Amino acid sequence: DTGVSQDPRHKITKRGQNVTFRCDPISEHNRLYWYRQTLGQGPEFLTYFQNEAQLEKSRLLSDRFSAERPKGSFSTLEIQRTEQGDSAMYLCASSPSSGTPYNEQFFGPGTRLTVL
Amino acid sequence: AQTVTQSQPEMSVQEAETVTLSCTYDTSESDYYLFWYKQPPSRQMILVIRQEAYKQQNATENRFSVNFQKAAKSFSLKISDSQLGDAAMYFCAYRRNTGNQFYFGTGTSLTVIP
Repeated sequence: DTGVSQDPRHKITKRGQNVTFRCDPISEHNRLYWYRQTLGQGPEFLTYFQNEAQLEKSRLLSDRFSAERPKGSFSTLEIQRTEQGDSAMYLCASSPSSGTPYNEQFFGPGTRLTVL
Repeated sequence: AQTVTQSQPEMSVQEAETVTLSCTYDTSESDYYLFWYKQPPSRQMILVIRQEAYKQQNATENRFSVNFQKAAKSFSLKISDSQLGDAAMYFCAYRRNTGNQFYFGTGTSLTVIP
């Protein structure tokens, strides 16, 4: 399967702990996105990479959040000192940079974070 | 700022019938893209249909079609011959031509009644 994959699928942590999520995009896609989805809401944009460069960051991405894409392939999203308000589904998506003007995004299954 | 509004939190349809999900958006741009995504329970989001704002013809993908009214900033999704597998959350999304991020609505939960 060559879809977007995310690991882990579920994470339960205690408040104050650090967590890290991984996203592997579709291999030929050089654009990668992170979104957060809370219950009853649509996904909200967090950040965007083109290759290894982080080009956009939302104001939602507080300084406790950091994302990397060191070699332009997989990406990690780290949340430090987690808070209960961080509980959400974290979605990763990827898209190609050429071939279609739509830039439609292909989503992974998400990582569901629960902060106790 | 761009906002996307889905005013129907929940909808239901009888199997084999037709249902329309509504979506409106707010933008000052003239060139943009609109999408409908489907998110089945505990499964990942998949693209259902897409539309370019400068194309007047409504997009169609098999049983799925849209009614795009640019002046009204409306982008509704029609599902014909509804099937049990259509049951899911449906999200409307907007992307401006020069941007990369998607703006999503709050979703409509569709139930298909056998």
